[in-house]
Amino acid sequence: RKEVEQDPGPFNVPEGATVAFNCTYSNSASQSFFWYRQDCRKEPKLLMSVYSSGNEDGRFTAQLNRASQYISLLIRDSKLSDSATYLCVVNAEYGNKLVFGAGTILRVKS
Amino acid sequence: NAGVMQNPRHLVRRRGQEARLRCSPMKGHSHVYWYRQLPEEGLKFMVYLQKENIIDESGMPKERFSAEFPKEGPSILRIQQVVRGDSAAYFCASSPRTGLANSPLHFGNGTRLTVT
Repeated sequence: RKEVEQDPGPFNVPEGATVAFNCTYSNSASQSFFWYRQDCRKEPKLLMSVYSSGNEDGRFTAQLNRASQYISLLIRDSKLSDSATYLCVVNAEYGNKLVFGAGTILRVKS
Repeated sequence: NAGVMQNPRHLVRRRGQEARLRCSPMKGHSHVYWYRQLPEEGLKFMVYLQKENIIDESGMPKERFSAEFPKEGPSILRIQQVVRGDSAAYFCASSPRTGLANSPLHFGNGTRLTVT
């Protein structure tokens, strides 16, 4: 089983739609969770950290379910500029490295 | 405040040559990570370094690959005798302190290595 698993998509949605991505992780001892965004052939950029109580940043909402070991990202009122690959990221069982999921592709169309 | 600087942006090498990739972390960051991204795949951890120390190299191939982060100067990822399978984007990231809770990584633009 992969340490971090994501549905690769692509998710094709119209502008203004609400879209949700899920991610599962295998290490029950993980403490750090993030969503990164990667545009084509560019470096990953931090979108938001994910906190136990859930957190929101504008149109983006992240949730963590420790019991089921999954993380979600909800994007409301999708914009064309949201088109990207969204990476679920979790710290590894040992050491200080972050493990990246393979990413979920989002395409927002007008 | 400059971000993580990587150079070169693009590097072309013939099979058997050596590739040297450089990374200067953000100012004030003493922790450097190297990741590799193959075409159409996710980022794979390679190595984690602090100044003059390799902390975790569990993702480094056993042969031909080495990394260093000297007291002065950038971190270097060195690939000897490159093969076509080494063609990938190599990303460097830095963080200000150990322990990743609430201390996410800041990535450089990456070096795209092409082996011909």
